[in-house]
Amino acid sequence: DVKVTQSSRYLVKRTGEKVFLECVQDMDHENMFWYRQDPGLGLRLIYFSYDVKMKEKGDIPEGYSVSREKKERFSLILESASTNQTSMYLCASSWTSGIDEQFFGPGTRLTVL
Amino acid sequence: AQKITQTQPGMFVQEKEAVTLDCTYDTSDQSYGLFWYKQPSSGEMIFLIYQGSYDEQNATEGRYSLNFQKARKSANLVISASQLGDSAMYFCPWRNDMRFGAGTRLTVKP
Repeated sequence: DVKVTQSSRYLVKRTGEKVFLECVQDMDHENMFWYRQDPGLGLRLIYFSYDVKMKEKGDIPEGYSVSREKKERFSLILESASTNQTSMYLCASSWTSGIDEQFFGPGTRLTVL
Repeated sequence: AQKITQTQPGMFVQEKEAVTLDCTYDTSDQSYGLFWYKQPSSGEMIFLIYQGSYDEQNATEGRYSLNFQKARKSANLVISASQLGDSAMYFCPWRNDMRFGAGTRLTVKP
């Protein structure tokens, strides 16, 4: 079975801290994605990556950066966490574009105080 | 970016009845596809079904089927014989750019 893991289920950080959210997939997927999910807004795409060292901005990249040094790992970085970044963060991966569905991690609920 | 619209923030259905969840899209692409995912309260995202624009038939998977109407630009999910375990959020992301709509919260009443 495809497995996507995220480093933490729950995380509490202080305003201004640098935060790293890690995502690892074990099925050699080319594509990896970071979303945040907020009530009433659904999932919004932050960044995605189609290959190692490659990244593309999604719809809400401000305040975030990403890193993909290895194919299986995609990290989301909050350079200076703010309270409006309190949210559920979901990582996903998929094979090359086409009819392949995404596989999601369990999510990280981040609270910024 | 393409626009996905799920117009029903919340839906209620009686157990064992069928329910339709709406999903409309706005695109000029000829080749496209839509997924449907289920997200129960546990938070996991579960893939349900996929419909491609060139598929000759509407997609079906067990109790899930798609009412795909290209002219109306809609790909509505039909769940037959609803079960209590169907209570969840439902999303229909766009294949071409993996954008999601706001989702529909389905509640199945006993």
